[in-house]
Amino acid sequence: AQSVAQPEDQVNVAEGNPLTVKCTYSVSGNPYLFWYVQYPNRGLQFLLKYITGDNLVKGSYGFEAEFNKSQTSFHLKKPSALVSDSALYFCAVRDIRDNNDMRFGAGTRLTVKP
Amino acid sequence: GAGVSQTPSNKVTEKGKYVELRCDPISGHTALYWYRQSLGQGPEFLIYFQGTGAADDSGLPNDRFFAVRPEGSVSTLKIQRTERGDSAVYLCASSSVGRSTDTQYFGPGTRLTVL
Repeated sequence: AQSVAQPEDQVNVAEGNPLTVKCTYSVSGNPYLFWYVQYPNRGLQFLLKYITGDNLVKGSYGFEAEFNKSQTSFHLKKPSALVSDSALYFCAVRDIRDNNDMRFGAGTRLTVKP
Repeated sequence: GAGVSQTPSNKVTEKGKYVELRCDPISGHTALYWYRQSLGQGPEFLIYFQGTGAADDSGLPNDRFFAVRPEGSVSTLKIQRTERGDSAVYLCASSSVGRSTDTQYFGPGTRLTVL
């Protein structure tokens, strides 16, 4: 079965600095990878996904993520953080052979300080 | 267009009671998913509907949990004889056809508290 690890519970960055939120995955076959963001009292909002093709995926709000098959990672990045990026970020994976079961990581709380 | 909506936003009940949680997916989406999110955790898959049928209910924790989607649109998650451990945020998501490449769009969730 597939699984996802987000090794950092919390990431703190200063506004204007680059940010990285880490994600590693484990699947039997090929992965489909997703990033979602959750603001307080709101549902998960889709940011971006990797299905196939270019390893660098660009998504909403200036975020991007790089699929690295050899390191089984899909880290989320942004060149210049905003205070409004402060939220809870979830990485998720689906095995290409399993249509239904999307596994989420435990989440990483990002705090961007002015 | 409108996103996924869930009602109620909050539900407080007593141990042993029955509750129903409702999900209205994005119009035209044939696939619907229920997840449960406990404090400090990521969402955990419960059940997946393709149209009116439950295509995969392997995530339901026990037989106190049941979900229906009689007309292929609105879905109701039903929990019988609630226990304190059922307290969590219940999230609903929908996607266009249910392919594994599809993006799932989530509702705001229902926060269930069992006293």
